Formats: sequence, C-alpha cells, structure tokens
Amino acid sequence: QITLKESGPALVKPTQTLTLTCSFSGFSLTTSGEGVGWIRQPPGKALEWLAVIYWNDDKSYSPSLRSRLTITKDTSKDQVVLAMTNMDPVDTATYFCANLGRSWYIRDWGQGTLVTVSS
Amino acid sequence: DIQMTQSPSTLSASVGDRVTLTCRASQSISSWLAWYQQKPGKAPKLLMFKASTLDRGVPSRFSGSGFGTEFTLTISGLQPEDFATYYCQQYNNYPLTFGGGTKVETK
Repeated sequence: QITLKESGPALVKPTQTLTLTCSFSGFSLTTSGEGVGWIRQPPGKALEWLAVIYWNDDKSYSPSLRSRLTITKDTSKDQVVLAMTNMDPVDTATYFCANLGRSWYIRDWGQGTLVTVSS
Repeated sequence: DIQMTQSPSTLSASVGDRVTLTCRASQSISSWLAWYQQKPGKAPKLLMFKASTLDRGVPSRFSGSGFGTEFTLTISGLQPEDFATYYCQQYNNYPLTFGGGTKVETK
C-alpha cells in the first residue's frame, strides 16, 4: 500500500522561502520508473502541477514557476523536499505530493497541506 | 504547454440523471488523459486513465471516451456520492496540466 504525507509550515510570510517535505512508503525512489510530484490547489480553484523528481534524479518543473522551485530527494529517508522561494499571498494553496510512475497519471496522493502566505 | 479546457464549469443534475462532462486539449494528446473526482477537503481520486480505462474499484456507471483533443466523462445514473468536482489531466507530455474543473451539483 502506497502512502504519502506532506509536512511543513501552515503559515509563511511574503518573500520567505517555503520548504515542504513529502514522506512516503510503499515504494522506493531507488526503483526504476518511480517518481514523486507536487501539485497545488488555491482555495476554490483548480489543480496546478508544480514539479516532479524521478528515481534517476531527472526533474521537471512548471515553466511558470521554474525559477522559484527546487525539488530534491533523500532516498535514505524516503522523502522528497520542495522549496519555493519568494512566497506571495497568491501562493496560498493546499499543496499535495503524489506518486508518479511511468504513466504520469496519479493514483496515489497525499492528504495535502494548506499553506497560507500572509504577513 | 498544453491547455485543458473543461465544460461546463458547473452542472446541475438530479440523482439518476445521465450527465456528460467535456474536456478539450489545445493540441492532440492521443489518449493520454486522466479523470479525477474531488470532494471538498480531500485529495483528488483517480477515476479513469488512458481516456477510457476505469481505475480499479471505480463503479461502471462512469465511462470515458475521446481521442486527440476532445474527451468526455459520462456518469450514467448519478448517485448521491457523485456530487463533486471533476478534473481532467493530460499526461502526453510535461508540464502536466489540469482542466479548470466541472462541479456537479444538486439541481
């Protein structure tokens, strides 16, 4: 059974850097084809894909947010970390991590964590 | 980026109705389309992938069709638990993109 759980601050100030951790079980990022991605959803709005990292350290970022995002993995801890710089109130959203395999659709999601950007 | 457009944005329906949701891609994505159902405060749930393949455990009243740029999700015999927001997602290439969603609400 695959599980994922996001953790990080619930509140960040404008201009700060947000760091979110995805802790997962049921698969390994040392296994060929496995990946972990991040998706966000502002309150009442649609889903937006942010970034993905794969077992071989290949990464892909949303073009509109590429300059602000960094995704890394720690295979010894079964964790993936997403950093987003220069946070703004428009970045207020629920942030989900998810298991992305070779197929790129998402069966397994974390529960999501709400991040509010406010001074 | 491939833009995904869903229509309608809101659909009012009653239990037992047959409803059809539409998703259009700005360029051909072959059959690389997934549908998700999301309820308030929850993560999305995968309903369908490859445009028409039901994920395990998804009731057969859900069906999908389409190829290229135009896709539909049909719910035949709407049930109370089906009132939710539905999203399509293309996975033909990165960046992955989602549609704006269709909210199915009670008439």
